[in-house]
Amino acid sequence: NAGVMQNPRHLVRRRGQEARLRCSPMKGHSHVYWYRQLPEEGLKFMVYLQKENIIDESGMPKERFSAEFPKEGPSILRIQQVVRGDSAAYFCASSTSPDRGGSNTEAFFGQGTRLTVV
Amino acid sequence: DAKTTQPPSMDCAEGRAANLPCNHSTISGNEYVYWYRQIHSQGPQYIIHGLKNNETNEMASLIITEDRKSSTLILPHATLRDTAVYYCIVRSLMEYGNKLVFGAGTILRVKS
Repeated sequence: NAGVMQNPRHLVRRRGQEARLRCSPMKGHSHVYWYRQLPEEGLKFMVYLQKENIIDESGMPKERFSAEFPKEGPSILRIQQVVRGDSAAYFCASSTSPDRGGSNTEAFFGQGTRLTVV
Repeated sequence: DAKTTQPPSMDCAEGRAANLPCNHSTISGNEYVYWYRQIHSQGPQYIIHGLKNNETNEMASLIITEDRKSSTLILPHATLRDTAVYYCIVRSLMEYGNKLVFGAGTILRVKS
């Protein structure tokens, strides 16, 4: 059973370009979470998506960032007009349907995409 | 904001048990304690979670105090590959999904 797959592993973009980060969840997982880790800082939650729905985007910057998880295909985190401050590691995690009120299942993380803006 | 307090760093001799403490004095009755770790430059890895009973799996043991205000993650025989940042996270049973709020964690250095 393949784990959470993220690609590309490394991405270099010039300022002003667009960055697209892809995440394929584990088989059977329909919930995806994106996190950002700035250099020498901790992991920060960005957005939580279920198939075709955004459940929680409280950690997403208000401009230039968007995320989707279509019915078919991977989840995409899109950053428009990148700036140097967007340079970071972006991690995706996935889980099965959560069991509210019961024993929650754990989330599994991918190896991340390291975005460098030059 | 993270609801846990962990020491910033710890050292452990290879082959010895590593005991990583976590304080979560404001934990409520419907919140689980989760542990993840992040080995340098890799994605976080799930270790274990528990509600009020002690838990054990192939990676570690989790000891939760009776009042649930603190817990300890135990790696019984630490190896050099266990060097990582260890995160203690509390999250609610009633919260939909598996959103995790990471704090600064504990940097565990296993030394030969």
